Amino acid sequence: KAGVTQTPRYLIKTRGQQVTLSCSPISGHRSVSWYQQTPGQGLQFLFEYFSETQRNKGNFPGRFSGRQFSNSRSEMNVSTLELGDSALYLCASSPGWAENSPLHFGNGTRLTVT
Amino acid sequence: AQSVTQLDSQVPVFEEAPVELRCNYSSSVSVYLFWYVQYPNQGLQLLLKYLSGSTLVKGINGFEAEFNKSQTSFHLRKPSVHISDTAEYFCAVSGANTGNQFYFGTGTSLTVIP
Repeated sequence: KAGVTQTPRYLIKTRGQQVTLSCSPISGHRSVSWYQQTPGQGLQFLFEYFSETQRNKGNFPGRFSGRQFSNSRSEMNVSTLELGDSALYLCASSPGWAENSPLHFGNGTRLTVT
Repeated sequence: AQSVTQLDSQVPVFEEAPVELRCNYSSSVSVYLFWYVQYPNQGLQLLLKYLSGSTLVKGINGFEAEFNKSQTSFHLRKPSVHISDTAEYFCAVSGANTGNQFYFGTGTSLTVIP
């Protein structure tokens, strides 16, 4: 079974631009979560989608948004990029919306904002 | 609210020596505990999980962890490490009614010295 696929692996953008990251979950998984990983802040929860509905949201500004499609694939968008948005963005999927269901992570998208 | 503390940011250890990576959590509700490993330029891979039952949990690659409710700890151990165990290790907690929002520690960088 294929794992979680994130595209692209690397992105370089300029301040003020916007970016869209894509995530394809493991087949059959209906929940997709997004995390931001930085050396200073570690792993921080962005949001989680289940059956095309946002179920949970972390403490990030409105510039960060996401969506999930009917095939469970998900995208996240960051508008008006800032230097501090440079990070590894990780997508994770799980079969359902349950707190005891382990997350399965993709290899991430490395975003660099210049 | 939940939080996770990984007491050691860096742990150097000689090859074939035992290692313990410490993790403490705080939570006001029932918790589920996880250890993940991250190799360079990759996402997080599940090592083991505690959901319920026996407090000693065995995972992949010879790792094990013990859930101690009274000390709110979930330390990771391996009796004999290999060079290939060099990686970043993250402890994570989720709890009742949080859906798939996991709270991660800041990570412990394990370096195995030949």
